[in-house]
Amino acid sequence: AQTVTQSQPEMSVQEAETVTLSCTYDTSESDYYLFWYKQPPSRQMILVIRQEAYKQQNATENRFSVNFQKAAKSFSLKISDSQLGDAAMYFCAYRSPSFTGANSKLTFGKGITLSVRP
Amino acid sequence: DSGVTQTPKHLITATGQRVTLRCSPRSGDLSVYWYQQSLDQGLQFLIHYYNGEERAKGNILERFSAQQFPDLHSELNLSSLELGDSALYFCASSVGTLTTGELFFGEGSRLTVL
Repeated sequence: AQTVTQSQPEMSVQEAETVTLSCTYDTSESDYYLFWYKQPPSRQMILVIRQEAYKQQNATENRFSVNFQKAAKSFSLKISDSQLGDAAMYFCAYRSPSFTGANSKLTFGKGITLSVRP
Repeated sequence: DSGVTQTPKHLITATGQRVTLRCSPRSGDLSVYWYQQSLDQGLQFLIHYYNGEERAKGNILERFSAQQFPDLHSELNLSSLELGDSALYFCASSVGTLTTGELFFGEGSRLTVL
């Protein structure tokens, strides 16, 4: 079974600075998807960024980028120019490529609470 | 707006009672997933339905059951409720074939058992 580990429960960053959130995972599959979801105080789960394992290029979405190290099974999220609105809980998640099968669920890490200091 | 609708948004009930949570997936999405998020806990997978069929079960208690109807909406039934069932219950949907892989989440149903 796949597992996702987020070992840092909390992090803090100064507004306008850069912060990196860590995530490791364990799988025997060669193809898969990785995601970062954001959960602000409103509790809505919002997709931040996705990475397909077969793509060597790291995904980027505006101020958000990932460092995907497939061999090391590491998937960190870098937030540049941090804003107050980035304060939230961030979840790393894994998904097998079979989107309809019995193993198609998202497996989440425990999350990390990010605070942004003004 | 994710396109996934969950009702009710908030629910307060007593121990021993039964409640039903409803989820309408995004238009065209065939898969529905239910997750439970307890206080200070991560998201625990409960159950997955694809086009009306149960595809996978996670940490779902026997007191809980779910189904997906022909119109693809889904219901999660929670019975003999206990204090520990108080949580945020998320429904998420995704497309069965053409998809970019992510799940789209509803706003959740917050259940409080007193």
